[in-house]
Amino acid sequence: EAGVVQSPRYKIIEKKQPVAFWCNPISGHNTLYWYLQNLGQGPELLIRYENEEAVDDSQLPKDRFSAERLKGVDSTLKIQPAELGDSAVYLCASSLGQAQDTQYFGPGTRLTVL
Amino acid sequence: ELKVEQNPLFLSMQEGKNYTIYCNYSTTSDRLYWYRQDPGKSLESLFVLLSNGAVKQEGRLMASLDTKARLSTLHITAAVHDLSATYFCAVAYNAGNMLTFGGGTRLMVKP
Repeated sequence: EAGVVQSPRYKIIEKKQPVAFWCNPISGHNTLYWYLQNLGQGPELLIRYENEEAVDDSQLPKDRFSAERLKGVDSTLKIQPAELGDSAVYLCASSLGQAQDTQYFGPGTRLTVL
Repeated sequence: ELKVEQNPLFLSMQEGKNYTIYCNYSTTSDRLYWYRQDPGKSLESLFVLLSNGAVKQEGRLMASLDTKARLSTLHITAAVHDLSATYFCAVAYNAGNMLTFGGGTRLMVKP
C-alpha cells in the first residue's frame, strides 16, 4: 500500500515569492493534516481536514498561508508571499478519521527561503 | 493549552546499555503515540498507548503510559546502533483528533 505522497521534496525560493506544496494521502483516509516542523523541534499542526472541510485551521497564519482539499483527496498548501522565517519542513499526514486512529506521515517538503 | 515535554533532549549511549526517555504532558488525555524520525526522513509510528497502565513492546523498545501521572516512558533495552534516531511522543486531544508533539529526544547509540 502506498504511503502519503508529497511533492516537491525540496524547494528553494527567494523571500516574497509564492510557493505551493502538494499532498496525496493514503487511499481511503478521510482526514488530512498539514504540519510545520522547524529544525530540532516536533511537528506543529497548521490545519486539519475532514474530507474537503477544514475543521481546524486556528494555527494557520491566514495572512499568507492558504490550503485547499478539493474533492476530499489531494491537498495543496500555499504560502504567498514567503518570508525568511517560513524555512522549515512541511509535513502532510493522513488518517482514517476514526477515534484512536494513527496518523501516517509523508516524507515532507523542505522549504528554504533566501 | 496542552504542553508536552520530553527529556532528555539528547541522549548518547553505548551499545548494550539500557535507558529511558520520559514524556510528560500537562492536561488529561487517554491516548499517546510514540514516533521515530531518522535524519531527513518522515515520522514512523512506533506505538499507540490507549489507556492507563498500557504497555507495548517491539524488539528492544517498550513504551508505557500512566495517565494519572500524565507520564509516558520509552525504555530502550540493550541498545544497538540501528536505534539511533529522534523519538517523539505525541499526546491526543480534542476527542482524539489532534496531536501535540513533544520536542523530541535525539538518541545516538555508539558502537
